Amino acid sequence: NAGVTQTPKFQVLKTGQSMTLQCAQDMNHNSMYWYRQDPGMGLRLIYYSASEGTTDKGEVPNGYNVSRLNKREFSLRLESAAPSQTSVYFCASSPPWLAENSPLHFGNGTRLTVT
Amino acid sequence: KQEVTQIPAALSVPEGENLVLNCSFTDSAIYNLQWFRQDPGKGLTSLLLIQSSQREQTSGRLNASLDKSSGRSTLYIAASQPGDSATYLCAVGMDSSYKLIFGSGTRLLVRP
Repeated sequence: NAGVTQTPKFQVLKTGQSMTLQCAQDMNHNSMYWYRQDPGMGLRLIYYSASEGTTDKGEVPNGYNVSRLNKREFSLRLESAAPSQTSVYFCASSPPWLAENSPLHFGNGTRLTVT
Repeated sequence: KQEVTQIPAALSVPEGENLVLNCSFTDSAIYNLQWFRQDPGKGLTSLLLIQSSQREQTSGRLNASLDKSSGRSTLYIAASQPGDSATYLCAVGMDSSYKLIFGSGTRLLVRP
């Protein structure tokens, strides 16, 4: 049971390059999320997808695009990377409604450095 | 705008000590509050979830309390162990989704 799988684990980009962060979950969850975590700060929501075929902006969406490819996969794309996007990116998934026995499940993160 | 604060940013205690981690939030109209644990290089693991109508939740040696009116939550860890060393984050939900607002965390070190 893999849970939430993110690839790659590490990535170094030069300013202006593009890349896609991949995320897949095997828990049949409806909702998926992309968060970023910066030193000394909590996680901030970039985009989320409440269900297959829908996506919505979170707190810090600028510079990113997302695709909910199917129920399992939710990708995050940086079209033109900037040093301010250096961060650790976490994907998460959940059932449609938050409940005591259905916690949010996180992947192990992608560490991205933009030089 | 909701803001979540965790103080202190880091805490070091000897093994066996009971300890309290603090979380405060500015908007008391929350839907729920969650506590997470994060180990180095790993994602977050959910520890406890408190609905806005609840005052506390318990799981093993962990007890989380919620006081909406004062905008505070605490995570109590009894008889701490070196394995409890990690960063603990609290997060507030303003509705039934998982669009959470996180604090910056408290990094806990339990010394043998």
